[in-house]
Amino acid sequence: KNEVEQSPQNLTAQEGEFITINCSYSVGISALHWLQQHPGGGIVSLFMLSSGKKKHGRLIATINIQEKHSSLHITASHPRDSAVYICAANMNRDDKIIFGKGTRLHILP
Amino acid sequence: NAGVTQTPKFQVLKTGQSMTLQCAQDMNHNSMYWYRQDPGMGLRLIYYSASEGTTDKGEVPNGYNVSRLNKREFSLRLESAAPSQTSVYFCASSERHFTQYFGPGTRLTVL
Repeated sequence: KNEVEQSPQNLTAQEGEFITINCSYSVGISALHWLQQHPGGGIVSLFMLSSGKKKHGRLIATINIQEKHSSLHITASHPRDSAVYICAANMNRDDKIIFGKGTRLHILP
Repeated sequence: NAGVTQTPKFQVLKTGQSMTLQCAQDMNHNSMYWYRQDPGMGLRLIYYSASEGTTDKGEVPNGYNVSRLNKREFSLRLESAAPSQTSVYFCASSERHFTQYFGPGTRLTVL
């Protein structure tokens, strides 16, 4: 079982819909990252969280340390949001980073 | 600023050949990383370097060596390439526990 699990694996939605991608982890972490990978392959870091909530434009990331769970929300989704969204966590035990397998998001116009 | 640069962008090798993937960053970061990305597997850490002069194994280090030449540069070497090393390789840099910045990736095919 992967120590960082994401759901759903694939998500198709209509433009304008509110999107939620979930990430759960099974061990203690010091930080959690949300990344975006576009079809061209480039990877961009969206958020780094250790507690609470962060917002950037239409993107919101939250983390619940007690429940070992994080969510990435996209409000008013747009076709340009279509990408793979990746959750990653810095492990407390050795500070290494473990990645989820990603969620492929497709927003239809 | 160029951020994180990687060379080459594409490479085709025959089994048993060697090559070095180059990575450089101009953000004065202490930490640098090498990852591989395979379909259905997500990104996996090969090696990382927390500071100049130090390197540590990640999740999948077998078949690879690394050199942290200076603070800017972190290279990944395949001594004897195998088809199982066909993958997309990403270099990244950060300050510890802060945002990671990724290079554009190297698509490697081993025949």
